[in-house]
Amino acid sequence: QSALTQPASVSGSPGQSITISCTGTSSDVGSFNLVSWYQQHPGKAPQVMIYEVNKRPSGVSNRFSGSKSGNTASLTISGLQDEDEAHYYCCSYGGSGSFHVVFGGGTKLTVL
Amino acid sequence: QVQLVQSGADMKKPGASVRVSCKASGYTFSNYGISWVRQAPGQGLEWMGWVSGYRRNSNYAQKLQGRVTMTTDTSTTTAYMELRSLTSDDTAIYYCARNVNGAFDIWGQGTIVTVSS
Repeated sequence: QSALTQPASVSGSPGQSITISCTGTSSDVGSFNLVSWYQQHPGKAPQVMIYEVNKRPSGVSNRFSGSKSGNTASLTISGLQDEDEAHYYCCSYGGSGSFHVVFGGGTKLTVL
Repeated sequence: QVQLVQSGADMKKPGASVRVSCKASGYTFSNYGISWVRQAPGQGLEWMGWVSGYRRNSNYAQKLQGRVTMTTDTSTTTAYMELRSLTSDDTAIYYCARNVNGAFDIWGQGTIVTVSS
């Protein structure tokens, strides 16, 4: 199963909004509402920011939102802050009868 | 609190095997599956496989089939990942993570595995 496709990098100024895309196939993103997004700062373990396409775990800022259309999922961060600078990874369930997931290649967000 | 605590860093020679442990606490271990995710130096996340918290069910990424085994011990609430026939390409940080509906809500701190002669 191939990795999901994300842009290698995105950037934005403090206060702006950015969107990171995540393109899969009809076998993963397009078939299941089980897309999640992870933030990873250098030297740290990943942290879930969005699950089941558009749900936020307790404690995650409402500046983070998720959506999906067809085979492409998106993560939007509004009101960019310096601490948002990190790598972001999308992930989709892709199993057919057995548990199987696939990650995107990751996107480096730079806050200018 | 809910946490996953992994074993310490390890260094292995090519061809050897490595076993990483992941001790769970703060929740009912048998109610959740555990996945293992690795990250090579400077690279992205790679899902390795999943193991059930209460049955001997497991499923592995196709590229690791035959080289990896994931197990759980409900008596000690610990998950294990064994990777065999190591090469330098297996040098990475290995994470365990709790699964909830296809997402990973709790992560271990990571275990650095270095494969070098």
